[in-house]
Amino acid sequence: IAGITQAPTSQILAAGRRMTLRCTQDMRHNAMYWYRQDLGLGLRLIHYSNTAGTTGKGEVPDGYSVSRANTDDFPLTLASAVPSQTSVYFCASSDGLDHTDTQYFGPGTRLTVL
Amino acid sequence: GQNIDQPTEMTATEGAIVQINCTYQTSGFNGLFWYQQHAGEAPTFLSYNVLDGLEEKGRFSSFLSRSKGYSYLLLKELQMKDSASYLCAVRDGDYKLSFGAGTTVTVRA
Repeated sequence: IAGITQAPTSQILAAGRRMTLRCTQDMRHNAMYWYRQDLGLGLRLIHYSNTAGTTGKGEVPDGYSVSRANTDDFPLTLASAVPSQTSVYFCASSDGLDHTDTQYFGPGTRLTVL
Repeated sequence: GQNIDQPTEMTATEGAIVQINCTYQTSGFNGLFWYQQHAGEAPTFLSYNVLDGLEEKGRFSSFLSRSKGYSYLLLKELQMKDSASYLCAVRDGDYKLSFGAGTTVTVRA
């Protein structure tokens, strides 16, 4: 079944630890995105990638890094987690080819940093 | 920065109609999206408007006025399963999506 998968589903992490959130899509979409969703703030873009080999910063990139070695995978790394990074993280992708360029979202990762 | 406003909560009765308004001020405009998000789940695409006017998709319709920076999502013949959060998102001049905080709709029997 085509779609986006994220792992882990949820995680509790000690502050200062390193963590990588995984995202894989099998739709051969060119563009991929990472968002965080916090109560009352809506979805905010962390990083994006328009195509394999390129990445860009979104609205809230500090404390996060990404890589795009191939079309399918777009991992998000927290080098040294802090409590303010407690959030729900959503990965999304879009094909960038049709005029709507609709983004499709993965199921999310609920991260708690203590 | 981008500014997208929508009401926090709305309540309606099963079978009724609800209209969710969204106003925006963004750097450039390349389309407006509405997403539905059930609690604990991912947002799912509902509609897209890039030209002024009404787009109808079954029980859901979306309207856009670019000159007023305004959109609404109309949900007709409400069902219990329509209880969810509805997210307004605007694609700006850099082709990035900015989201409103979402409107939680509660449908009561």
